[in-house]
Amino acid sequence: EVQLVESGGGLVQPGRSLKLSCAASGFTFSNYYMAWVRQAPKKGLEWVATISTSGSRTYYPDSVKGRFTISRDNAKSSLYLQMNSLKSEDTATYYCARPMMVHSPFDYWGQGVMVTVSS
Amino acid sequence: NIVLTQSPATLSVTPGESVSLSCRASQSISTSIHWYQQKSNESPRLLIKYASQSISGIPSRFSGSGSGTDFTLSINRVESEDFSIYYCQQSYSSLLTFGSGTKLEIK
Repeated sequence: EVQLVESGGGLVQPGRSLKLSCAASGFTFSNYYMAWVRQAPKKGLEWVATISTSGSRTYYPDSVKGRFTISRDNAKSSLYLQMNSLKSEDTATYYCARPMMVHSPFDYWGQGVMVTVSS
Repeated sequence: NIVLTQSPATLSVTPGESVSLSCRASQSISTSIHWYQQKSNESPRLLIKYASQSISGIPSRFSGSGSGTDFTLSINRVESEDFSIYYCQQSYSSLLTFGSGTKLEIK
């Protein structure tokens, strides 16, 4: 059974940093691209980052480019999101998701982790 | 960026009715559109991939159609468990985008 379990969320002040983790199991992690998708309270879904199988290629929307960094450790079947210079508009539930390739749909999602950016 | 416009924003229906939800892309994206269902306080679930391809475990009353810029998610005879929010998402561009969602509510 495919499982994606996020951790590392919480309350953080504007301008500070936070690192999210996602532990994957039930599939060969190194064969799949991985991604982060977020959802602000009562809002829609927003793609945040995608990483290739080896980690050599990463993709970001303009809203987080230069502030967020996606990475992975295939030996640990783990995905990460380093978030720097956080803003109030980064407040959201962050989902770890599996897309297989960059142009694939997200076929599995984690349960999500809440990040609140507030002073 | 490719913008996806979903309509209507809210759709009020009676269980047993059949409905169609629309997703329009700002440029042609072939069939690189996917549909998700999100129930309250749950993670999204993939319903349809590449415009019309079915997903294992998803009820057959869900179907998708379209290509280019206009796409439709159809639900044949809505059941009570179907009342939730539906999102479309494009993967034509590596800069992925979602539509703003259509809320399906009970009339």
